[in-house]
Amino acid sequence: QKEVEQDPGPLSVPEGAIVSLNCTYSNSAFQYFMWYRQYSRKGPELLMYTYSSGNKEDGRFTAQVDKSSKYISLFIRDSQPSDSATYLCAMGGTSGSRLTFGEGTQLTVNP
Amino acid sequence: KAGVTQTPRYLIKTRGQQVTLSCSPISGHRSVSWYQQTPGQGLQFLFEYFSETQRNKGNFPGRFSGRQFSNSRSEMNVSTLELGDSALYLCASSSDLGRGASPLHFGNGTRLTVT
Repeated sequence: QKEVEQDPGPLSVPEGAIVSLNCTYSNSAFQYFMWYRQYSRKGPELLMYTYSSGNKEDGRFTAQVDKSSKYISLFIRDSQPSDSATYLCAMGGTSGSRLTFGEGTQLTVNP
Repeated sequence: KAGVTQTPRYLIKTRGQQVTLSCSPISGHRSVSWYQQTPGQGLQFLFEYFSETQRNKGNFPGRFSGRQFSNSRSEMNVSTLELGDSALYLCASSSDLGRGASPLHFGNGTRLTVT
């Protein structure tokens, strides 16, 4: 079983929809949680970085962490065609910069 | 601030050859990590360097090696290339605040094709 599970999709939504992306994990040592966006032929771009359980909002993006359920989410409000990309969740422990990634969810926002 | 720079962007090699990839981190970042990305396995951690020392290593064979220089620039080397080494190799740097997993900032990768 993988340490981090993420539905690969693909996920296709109309412009303006609210998008919900999720990851579950099994390793209790994970304390830091991130979401990355990756466009084709580009490296992953950091979207959100959180530590504690709860919500963190940045513009149209909201990251949610529930450590008790080992479940994290990313919500995208008012989705735009430019949001079409692969979204990766990533998690790390308390030492170093080693992250464990989900396999990514491919999102398409249709105009 | 300039981002993470990786060179070259594309490489084509044949089986048995070796290859060296280069990475320049964001100015001021002392931690550099390398990841392999493939369609089947996703992003897998190769190794991390901090202040010229390897701090962490993933589950890759010894054919994969790396180093970091005093200016934080890093190189990774793959010897005796195999077809399965074809992948996007990503370098990432972080400021390493010393309190746990810091957010990584990635370059655009080197696309390696082994024929």
